[in-house]
Amino acid sequence: GQSLEQPSEVTAVEGAIVQINCTYQTSGFYGLSWYQQHDGGAPTFLSYNALDGLEETGRFSSFLSRSDSYGYLLLQELQMKDSASYFCAVSSPGGSYIPTFGRGTSLIVHP
Amino acid sequence: NAGVTQTPKFQVLKTGQSMTLQCAQDMNHNSMYWYRQDPGMGLRLIYYSASEGTTDKGEVPNGYNVSRLNKREFSLRLESAAPSQTSVYFCASSVGTGGKDEQFFGPGTRLTVL
Repeated sequence: GQSLEQPSEVTAVEGAIVQINCTYQTSGFYGLSWYQQHDGGAPTFLSYNALDGLEETGRFSSFLSRSDSYGYLLLQELQMKDSASYFCAVSSPGGSYIPTFGRGTSLIVHP
Repeated sequence: NAGVTQTPKFQVLKTGQSMTLQCAQDMNHNSMYWYRQDPGMGLRLIYYSASEGTTDKGEVPNGYNVSRLNKREFSLRLESAAPSQTSVYFCASSVGTGGKDEQFFGPGTRLTVL
């Protein structure tokens, strides 16, 4: 099976940089995804890493280290609208490639 | 292009009642999914359909049934609702190729079972 660990809450101020970590245990590994969910809304896809290294998409970047079973989401130039929950998700052949989601990290951005 | 739609948006049931949650997608996706989301628990997979004509159990299938009616529609049925099924239910779809298989989520159904 798969299990994921991420912090339950992270706080930061507007304009700052914040990193949300995710460690995983899985039988086989295919990729690590990140999703964003605002209160009362639906999750939306942010990024995907299959190989080691950094993937950048605007203010958001995602990193993966397969040897460490670890990844993170980096948010730069934080804005109030970035206050949301962020979920990492692992897909593996053992899970029919369907992502297993972590419990989510609530990011609170203060002015 | 509506993406993924779900009905109803809100529902209150009494214990023992049955209901069907409807989901449809217009992106010609092969795979569809039903999740439930409870506070602090993330998204847990109930059932999924990798392609039209197939369905499989996810992590928490007990008390639910599904039907993949056609490529567009995937319904979730609660035969005898229990208070433990109070949750927010999300339907999602994806191309279904594995790998970077981005999931697109519907707006959710907020279900309360009294």
